[in-house]
Amino acid sequence: GEDVEQSLFLSVREGDSSVINCTYTDSSSTYLYWYKQEPGAGLQLLTYIFSNMDMKQDQRLTVLLNKKDKHLSLRIADTQTGDSAIYFCAETTYNTDKLIFGTGTRLQVFP
Amino acid sequence: DTGVSQDPRHKITKRGQNVTFRCDPISEHNRLYWYRQTLGQGPEFLTYFQNEAQLEKSRLLSDRFSAERPKGSFSTLEIQRTEQGDSAMYLCASSLGPAAASDEQFFGPGTRLTVL
Repeated sequence: GEDVEQSLFLSVREGDSSVINCTYTDSSSTYLYWYKQEPGAGLQLLTYIFSNMDMKQDQRLTVLLNKKDKHLSLRIADTQTGDSAIYFCAETTYNTDKLIFGTGTRLQVFP
Repeated sequence: DTGVSQDPRHKITKRGQNVTFRCDPISEHNRLYWYRQTLGQGPEFLTYFQNEAQLEKSRLLSDRFSAERPKGSFSTLEIQRTEQGDSAMYLCASSLGPAAASDEQFFGPGTRLTVL
């Protein structure tokens, strides 16, 4: 079955690292994605990872994938107030090209 | 602007009326997707096209919903006899298709529908 879950809220101090977690149930995932959504703006793809990779780093972003536990995380280093947004993880699977989204994690960064 | 565009950005309608939304994908993209997002939730897949062919439809897409992509370029999503439960943000996305390694989907700004 298809189910992607995330914790609802995360609050961090500016300059600290943020870690947003996601769990999924479908073992046939091909790619896993992280999207950012700001108020009034469209969904912006931040990064993605192929399902046979364990880690991907892209500037301040680090994605970790534990395929055995079906757990995906996004670490944002040196979190800034501009990082405040809702973050969605999403997956595609071998038998469909649609994105299956999680419920989203609202990240709030305070000074 | 070469991104995905959607029109209108906002639509307020009365229950029972029909509404139609338009999506213009990025010009070289073969695939076009429709999603629906309600408050506090992640986007949910509705349907997608490969060129003009509709390849998959979600069970969420009741018979009141119809989507077309007649020439493989822009797409329309029509909702007939709208209900209050149809109130949501309707998102369109496009992608290159199987030719691209990750088949990244680029999203438009969405059309926010309010049914009174």
